[in-house]
Amino acid sequence: DIQMTQSPSTLSASIGDTVTITCRASQSISRWLAWYQQKPGKAPKLLVYQASRLENGVPSRFSGSGSETKFTLTINNLQPEDFATYYCQQYDGNSYSFGQGTNLEIK
Amino acid sequence: QVHLQESGPGLVKPSQTLSLTCTVSGGSISTGTYYWSWVRQPAGKGLEWIGRVYTTGSTNYNPSLKSRVTISVDTSKNQFSLKVTSVTAADTAVYYCAASNDAFDFWGQGTMVIVSS
Repeated sequence: DIQMTQSPSTLSASIGDTVTITCRASQSISRWLAWYQQKPGKAPKLLVYQASRLENGVPSRFSGSGSETKFTLTINNLQPEDFATYYCQQYDGNSYSFGQGTNLEIK
Repeated sequence: QVHLQESGPGLVKPSQTLSLTCTVSGGSISTGTYYWSWVRQPAGKGLEWIGRVYTTGSTNYNPSLKSRVTISVDTSKNQFSLKVTSVTAADTAVYYCAASNDAFDFWGQGTMVIVSS
């Protein structure tokens, strides 16, 4: 099984800040990495797929990068609606696994 | 735009079988565009992929749950289903159905299932 490790677990930031969340895979996953945003009581929302492709309708202040085992999600110019929990997810062709999540909170 | 809706009992007794159905609208399960997945999330915790089914009935499961899980598809009803046997309190969670390829493109709203006597 491929394990996904996200850091940090919690991130405190202010409106207008730029933040970066890191996700590491236990083995190479090429660019089969997605990022999700989840707000309380809601289903996750796909933000980025294939490491750097922005899902339709997702603001351009979100960006993803990386390959093989190290990936990052960057959010520029944080907006109030961006405070949420973020998850990375890998795909190995037959199965999926998620990182443990990063709670982005207002400082 | 694919829409998914979970349905099923919200309370299951320990050792019994959890059964949920996901109804798909806005697209046909039979087109083969997506895999049809189940994901769960215990309260306050992270996401766990349970397994998926393709339109042909082919399945893949999370190895940690494989011995207790069955996912099936009913193309005539545009639905797919989840069964988890021998449930315990550890199976208490919000269960989501989702349309997936390499990522989970569309999600249902989720349904809470509590395992308790």
